[in-house]
Amino acid sequence: AQSVTQLGSHVSVSEGALVLLRCNYSSSVPPYLFWYVQYPNQGLQLLLKYTTGATLVKGINGFEAEFKKSETSFHLTKPSAHMSDAAEYFCAVSEGAGGTSYGKLTFGQGTILTVHP
Amino acid sequence: DAGVTQSPTHLIKTRGQQVTLRCSPKSGHDTVSWYQQALGQGPQFIFQYYEEEERQRGNFPDRFSGHQFPNYSSELNVNALLLGDSALYLCASSWGQANEKLFFGSGTQLSVL
Repeated sequence: AQSVTQLGSHVSVSEGALVLLRCNYSSSVPPYLFWYVQYPNQGLQLLLKYTTGATLVKGINGFEAEFKKSETSFHLTKPSAHMSDAAEYFCAVSEGAGGTSYGKLTFGQGTILTVHP
Repeated sequence: DAGVTQSPTHLIKTRGQQVTLRCSPKSGHDTVSWYQQALGQGPQFIFQYYEEEERQRGNFPDRFSGHQFPNYSSELNVNALLLGDSALYLCASSWGQANEKLFFGSGTQLSVL
């Protein structure tokens, strides 16, 4: 079974400050890892993903995340927050290609990011 | 190019009733997955349809059923509605069963009174 823990249900930063959203996962097989963003009354949009290869992955809107196997973490960062980054962020894990539950994503509880002017 | 479209956007039902939600995948996609997102929670996987068959299922009771049509669109049916079924129901589409790039619809907000 796989699980995701997002540390902090709410994170508040000032505009221009570093954004750090924490995600730890549990998986018995090599995982695929994802970060999604959800704006109010909208569906989920993929920010970035790790499947194989380079452990530092870059996504849209200046976000990046680093897969650290030893720490079972996949934290999301952005050097400088913008007001438009205010949204809810979800970390998710799945089995890799060929896994028995490859098509299923397991999501964390979400972190609401607030950006103050 | 239309993305994933879901209908209706909002729905109000009473306990014990049945509901059908609909999803049209993004053009070129042939796989549809359904997720339930309760208020303040992350989405939970209900099931996935590929080649008109249910391929994977999450921990949801048999009251939740689905269907995929030859044009790849899909329906989610929930029978004997409970108050706890109130949630945002999200449809996601992809090509094949790959989940590396799921496209999500805006969801159907179901309220059970």
